[in-house]
Amino acid sequence: GAVVSQHPSRVICKSGTSVKIECRSLDFQATTMFWYRQFPKKSLMLMATSNEGSKATYEQGVEKDKFLINHASLTLSTLTVTSAHPEDSSFYICSARAPGLAESNEQFFGPGTRLTVL
Amino acid sequence: GNSVTQMEGPVTLSEEAFLTINCTYTATGYPSLFWYVQYPGEGLQLLLKATKADDKGSNKGFEATYRKETTSFHLEKGSVQVSDSAVYFCALRTGNQFYFGTGTSLTVIP
Repeated sequence: GAVVSQHPSRVICKSGTSVKIECRSLDFQATTMFWYRQFPKKSLMLMATSNEGSKATYEQGVEKDKFLINHASLTLSTLTVTSAHPEDSSFYICSARAPGLAESNEQFFGPGTRLTVL
Repeated sequence: GNSVTQMEGPVTLSEEAFLTINCTYTATGYPSLFWYVQYPGEGLQLLLKATKADDKGSNKGFEATYRKETTSFHLEKGSVQVSDSAVYFCALRTGNQFYFGTGTSLTVIP
């Protein structure tokens, strides 16, 4: 099956620093990847959609200068939280769409990254 | 607009009890419907899905039927196990866009 990995799984950083989270499709090429944020006891909120080789499309209310997304290759998308603050602490989950697979509209989710900003 | 409403938890059941988690949706067009499960500290895993009306998705003893007339996709399992303890998310997809419910936490006690 299609596998999506995220790295790191957990990260703790100081306020004001930047943190990069990687999302990789391990056994397929993903032209489109999605970044979600999950708040405690809340649903997933779509932050942005990234397409390989082009700028990400951000959802309303998501600061694109704070959450930098780069989809440099067909197997890697990165989310950089710049100048992180405690309110950015959350669980970040990526997903990838695999147009080459039979279920081309299916999204496969990564295991998530727990970010804690002190 | 598109949205998903699922029953609030937490739900606590004894092992071998019957489980129902209600989910209703509002959507334009013809969405696909999903149930995802999230175990503690992990990401989402697809549990089952249905892509058109009257389809039944099933996996690991869980079932859900796409009911267009009631705009529902309730999750059921006849006999839950301790290992089923997790958070369950109902979701719909139109095009590339997913819409998730707020999740229902299930705890199964021995």
